[in-house]
Amino acid sequence: SQQGEEDPQALSIQEGENATMNCSYKTSINNLQWYRQNSGRGLVHLILIRSNEREKHSGRLRVTLDTSKKSSSLLITASRAADTASYFCATALYNQGGKLIFGQGTELSVKP
Amino acid sequence: ETGVTQTPRHLVMGMTNKKSLKCEQHLGHNAMYWYKQSAKKPLELMFVYNFKEQTENNSVPSRFSPECPNSSHLFLHLHTLQPEDSALYLCASTLFQDSNTGELFFGEGSRLTVL
Repeated sequence: SQQGEEDPQALSIQEGENATMNCSYKTSINNLQWYRQNSGRGLVHLILIRSNEREKHSGRLRVTLDTSKKSSSLLITASRAADTASYFCATALYNQGGKLIFGQGTELSVKP
Repeated sequence: ETGVTQTPRHLVMGMTNKKSLKCEQHLGHNAMYWYKQSAKKPLELMFVYNFKEQTENNSVPSRFSPECPNSSHLFLHLHTLQPEDSALYLCASTLFQDSNTGELFFGEGSRLTVL
């Protein structure tokens, strides 16, 4: 199976609700990153959390990292219709020369 | 606009054609990547170049041939492709330092269709 696995694969919520996406991985990492992709477009970086950090915030985004469980979560608070997109976690592998491995992603749909 | 430019944005080619995808960044980054994104599949890492040296070739078939002439440009040469190679090909770049991979800046992708 994948280095990064995400759940749920799809999530549908109403505007104003919070959205939580989870990511699990298998091997040691330097950092874990979250990206967003609108349909057919390139990916946009959202937030990076280092292996020695446990939580990070950026605007309406909150990311947690639990290296003992090899898992991370992305919380989007007070969601908006414009947050509709696919969200991916990516792991920067330890001592692997820049290798960044992506999970399969979560498709988020925020209904107005 | 991320500062990473990919051309062409769309490409249709036959199985016997030879074509190239181009990626360019002027962000001062020293690492560049090719990823393949097929429908219903996760992004697949194809190649990584650090300081113009290829550091990763993720078991990619030889019909895909990367070239990195300098730290700002990356090419993906394509020849005798198969229909299953149809996908969105994404280029990205980052600043790799102190053995740490920073955030990746992605281009908009090249949508490839192989007939």
